[in-house]
Amino acid sequence: EPEVTQTPSHQVTQMGQEVILRCVPISNHLYFYWYRQILGQKVEFLVSFYNNEISEKSEIFDDQFSVERPDGSNFTLKIRSTKLEDSAMYFCASSEARSQGEEKLFFGSGTQLSVL
Amino acid sequence: AQKVTQAQTEISVVEKEDVTLDCVYETRDTTYYLFWYKQPPSGELVFLIRRNSFDEQNEISGRYSWNFQKSTSSFNFTITASQVVDSAVYFCALSERGGSQGNLIFGKGTKLSVKP
Repeated sequence: EPEVTQTPSHQVTQMGQEVILRCVPISNHLYFYWYRQILGQKVEFLVSFYNNEISEKSEIFDDQFSVERPDGSNFTLKIRSTKLEDSAMYFCASSEARSQGEEKLFFGSGTQLSVL
Repeated sequence: AQKVTQAQTEISVVEKEDVTLDCVYETRDTTYYLFWYKQPPSGELVFLIRRNSFDEQNEISGRYSWNFQKSTSSFNFTITASQVVDSAVYFCALSERGGSQGNLIFGKGTKLSVKP
């Protein structure tokens, strides 16, 4: 069964450093997303991406965050200058084009980001 | 405001017991979708079910069943004859027809431990 893959599974970085989290969505999907889960808390929406631009973003997704689809397969999340509070599990997801709200999201296994 | 409440933080059962995970939601929209996702120890979020607000029929899939009641804004999940492999964190989520693309509102999750 096709799946969303994320690399790396764990990333440790120093505060202030830039990190790039990588994702390969399911090949025929058109919508891509990033979510995050701070330890012990709920999974939170960050951003959705379609047709090479951001569709929606949450208030969490500030100027320190950016997303990119550099080629036909990868989807990346960049954090420009990491803060301690960015430590979380970051999930990538993708979906087929469906009516809004109805999308069935397929999630990857996540990247655990630890900012020291 | 949208909200999803999973009041049970942790549940522990012995194998073969039945267990029900509760989910209560709040939304002002008349068209919305409800989801359950499973997060096993490996970390990924696995889609289990999607229901739309117009379909209140209960659903059964093997040992899993879902009880959707609009009158009480609940979408509860029952595992019959639980097995050790059911041990995971289970998330209930909501999205609205008029909401952001792929913006799922997750509950905080219920950690289910099934002991042999």
